[in-house]
Amino acid sequence: EAQVTQNPRYLITVTGKKLTVTCSQNMNHEYMSWYRQDPGLGLRQIYYSMNVEVTDKGDVPEGYKVSRKEKRNFPLILESPSPNQTSLYFCASRTRLDSSYNEQFFGPGTRLTVL
Amino acid sequence: RKEVEQDPGPFNVPEGATVAFNCTYSNSASQSFFWYRQDCRKEPKLLMSVYSSGNEDGRFTAQLNRASQYISLLIRDSKLSDSATYLCVVNNNAGNMLTFGGGTRLMVKP
Repeated sequence: EAQVTQNPRYLITVTGKKLTVTCSQNMNHEYMSWYRQDPGLGLRQIYYSMNVEVTDKGDVPEGYKVSRKEKRNFPLILESPSPNQTSLYFCASRTRLDSSYNEQFFGPGTRLTVL
Repeated sequence: RKEVEQDPGPFNVPEGATVAFNCTYSNSASQSFFWYRQDCRKEPKLLMSVYSSGNEDGRFTAQLNRASQYISLLIRDSKLSDSATYLCVVNNNAGNMLTFGGGTRLMVKP
């Protein structure tokens, strides 16, 4: 089954404790990205990657890191989480854009709470 | 001004009603347009793309007005299962970044 998976799905942690949220896709997509979703603010892009070893900042990259060592994986790293990073996080992927109408597939989401 | 703006709703409609949502975008160079559906606490999923000539998929019709920079979604004969948040999505930067509106919440009542 074609899918984007994320782990963990739920996480409660404390300020300053480094964490990683994994993301993996099995569709051989070149393009992957991370979003956070907050009430009243909608979905905002954190980072994206157009291919292996190519990453770039989105709208809200502060406090986050990413890496793209393999095509299928795109982990999101919070080196020192803070309470304002409490949010619902989505990973997404889509194929290389020969057409600008390619569908973007989302993972199931990770609900993160930073105390 | 937000790049993509939507009325957050909620739109409360009875079953069988016709409901329409609009979305405006600020970047006149935007290339492609979509409606995504998001159920509560779930991931967004593509509902339909929006083409220049307008397009229809069953009870759903999408329209694009480039001159006025808005897109619309019309849902006919609403079902209870249509209750969800509808996200307007615009592809701005040569396909590299999708910008999401805040979503419009629809609640269909029996």
